[in-house]
Amino acid sequence: EAGVAQSPRYKIIEKRQSVAFWCNPISGHATLYWYQQILGQGPKLLIQFQNNGVVDDSQLPKDRFSAERLKGVDSTLKIQPAKLEDSAVYLCSSGDPFTDTQYFGPGTRLTVL
Amino acid sequence: RKEVEQDPGPFNVPEGATVAFNCTYSNSASQSFFWYRQDCRKEPKLLMSVYSSGNEDGRFTAQLNRASQYISLLIRDSKLSDSATYLCVVPRAGGSYIPTFGRGTSLIVHP
Repeated sequence: EAGVAQSPRYKIIEKRQSVAFWCNPISGHATLYWYQQILGQGPKLLIQFQNNGVVDDSQLPKDRFSAERLKGVDSTLKIQPAKLEDSAVYLCSSGDPFTDTQYFGPGTRLTVL
Repeated sequence: RKEVEQDPGPFNVPEGATVAFNCTYSNSASQSFFWYRQDCRKEPKLLMSVYSSGNEDGRFTAQLNRASQYISLLIRDSKLSDSATYLCVVPRAGGSYIPTFGRGTSLIVHP
């Protein structure tokens, strides 16, 4: 069974630039999560989708971050404009609907200079 | 109290030791708890679910204490390969399942 796919794996941008991350969840998983993980901290949930609807985005900085999951499958997370403090690993996971367990992709390591 | 709290450690133990971590949570209505393991520069991976009756998988045992609102992870006979960060996950208050991760506890197993 294929796992969660994410791209790119690494991205370096300058502050005020835009960046987008892509995630393709495990087939059949209706729930998709985006997390931000800063070094030394646990993953912080940015947004949670159930199919193509948003379950929670209370911790998403909506002035600069946006996410979509138009067809209820893959998803894109965008940052525009980026700030230095956005440097982090962005993790995507998909959820088993019967057990609430999550399976993570390899993440995208973002560096903002 | 924060939604979820973990002692960041590091816990430094010799091979063969038994080590236990706790994770406290504030939402008394929480139902689904998990432990994930994260290796350095890798993504988190599910270690085990935490059931009301406890859960054991080989050298690992997870327990839930609802009265005191914490979950625990016990590792027996530690191996060098157990060195990692252990993250607990508890659900946020509310109807839908919305996970909150702890900051993780770092374990270092030395020879």
